[in-house]
Amino acid sequence: KQEVTQIPAALSVPEGENLVLNCSFTDSAIYNLQWFRQDPGKGLTSLLLIQSSQREQTSGRLNASLDKSSGRSTLYIAASQPGDSATYLCAVPNAGGTSYGKLTFGQGTILTVHP
Amino acid sequence: GAVVSQHPSRVICKSGTSVKIECRSLDFQATTMFWYRQFPKQSLMLMATSNEGSKATYEQGVEKDKFLINHASLTLSTLTVTSAHPEDSSFYICSVTSGPDEAFFGQGTRLTVV
Repeated sequence: KQEVTQIPAALSVPEGENLVLNCSFTDSAIYNLQWFRQDPGKGLTSLLLIQSSQREQTSGRLNASLDKSSGRSTLYIAASQPGDSATYLCAVPNAGGTSYGKLTFGQGTILTVHP
Repeated sequence: GAVVSQHPSRVICKSGTSVKIECRSLDFQATTMFWYRQFPKQSLMLMATSNEGSKATYEQGVEKDKFLINHASLTLSTLTVTSAHPEDSSFYICSVTSGPDEAFFGQGTRLTVV
């Protein structure tokens, strides 16, 4: 059974800081890994998708890396802004290797960026 | 990416009544949609897979008679919470998977049973 752990559970930083969120998973036979953002009471916004053959993906100030063999991914946020405050979730396909939308989520990291 | 719309965004119902939640894929024909549940301060848990034209498949521990899923078209799946009780109060959210297997989620439905 796939298990996903995110560290830290919460993070509070001043505006402008660079920060790293961590995600680890127990079954390394994944097809891909996806990072999401969730604002309070809202749905999920897809941030980055990394295929198993890739080592990293970048979108604007966000960079996600994947080390499949060690079961780890990191989300790097550069020059953080108050608008980045949200819960960040990583998710991987359920055990079995294929995705097809059946995802196992981590508990999330609650990020607060204060002015 | 795919655009997914859920309705309603919030619903309050009395204990014992049934509530229907709609999930629409606006720009993508989805033969499969997924329903998740999120309790306060917890992460998302997959409840069931909605299959167009056939029965839904439920994850272990999810009561199929309580959570009725209908996927009558390629763009619409519905989740009906039957005989709702306060313990069913939760955040319900649906998703579709677009190529290459990127998941897109609706805005979610906050259900409160009183």
